[in-house]
Amino acid sequence: GNSVTQMEGPVTLSEEAFLTINCTYTATGYPSLFWYVQYPGEGLQLLLKATKADDKGSNKGFEATYRKETTSFHLEKGSVQVSDSAVYFCALPSVSASKIIFGSGTRLSIRP
Amino acid sequence: EAQVTQNPRYLITVTGKKLTVTCSQNMNHEYMSWYRQDPGLGLRQIYYSMNVEVTDKGDVPEGYKVSRKEKRNFPLILESPSPNQTSLYFCASSSRGRTNYEQYFGPGTRLTVT
Repeated sequence: GNSVTQMEGPVTLSEEAFLTINCTYTATGYPSLFWYVQYPGEGLQLLLKATKADDKGSNKGFEATYRKETTSFHLEKGSVQVSDSAVYFCALPSVSASKIIFGSGTRLSIRP
Repeated sequence: EAQVTQNPRYLITVTGKKLTVTCSQNMNHEYMSWYRQDPGLGLRQIYYSMNVEVTDKGDVPEGYKVSRKEKRNFPLILESPSPNQTSLYFCASSSRGRTNYEQYFGPGTRLTVT
């Protein structure tokens, strides 16, 4: 079945640093890929998505490119802010489309 | 505003006392689902529903029940809660199109069973 593996955390960076959170996937076909973010005390919200190979999803300065050659969907941001401190989840649909399969989550903390 | 609402947000209860966590969405979504989030175990699906009167088990359904009598509502029922059901619960909904299969999440319900 489909699965996703993401970078272990926690990750601590200084403000304005460059961010990469690695995500690789195993999938039947080419399903949509997602990054979700969970801010402290809140539910998950969709950060960005890509629906086909070579697509780039982007939102709030974050980007991720759907790469089928390397089966990756790494999350990047050029200059992080304290407000980006959160837990980030890479995700994709199950083969049956009955659920979203989430990675284990990467906790990001940004120092002022 | 498009949203998924859950109630209550926080609940402390005792073993064996039946409880219901409500979930409602205003986006006319066919699909709804319940997840629980536990440290070290990530997000695990409890039950899901593809449409009204259609429900199915997820990965961890034991000890839970659901119903889908209306499109907008998908309550989670714990008939006899136990301490191992202490967790953070999320309801989610989405439209069914495979190429746009993103889920919208509620704010979560933190349940403690003593």
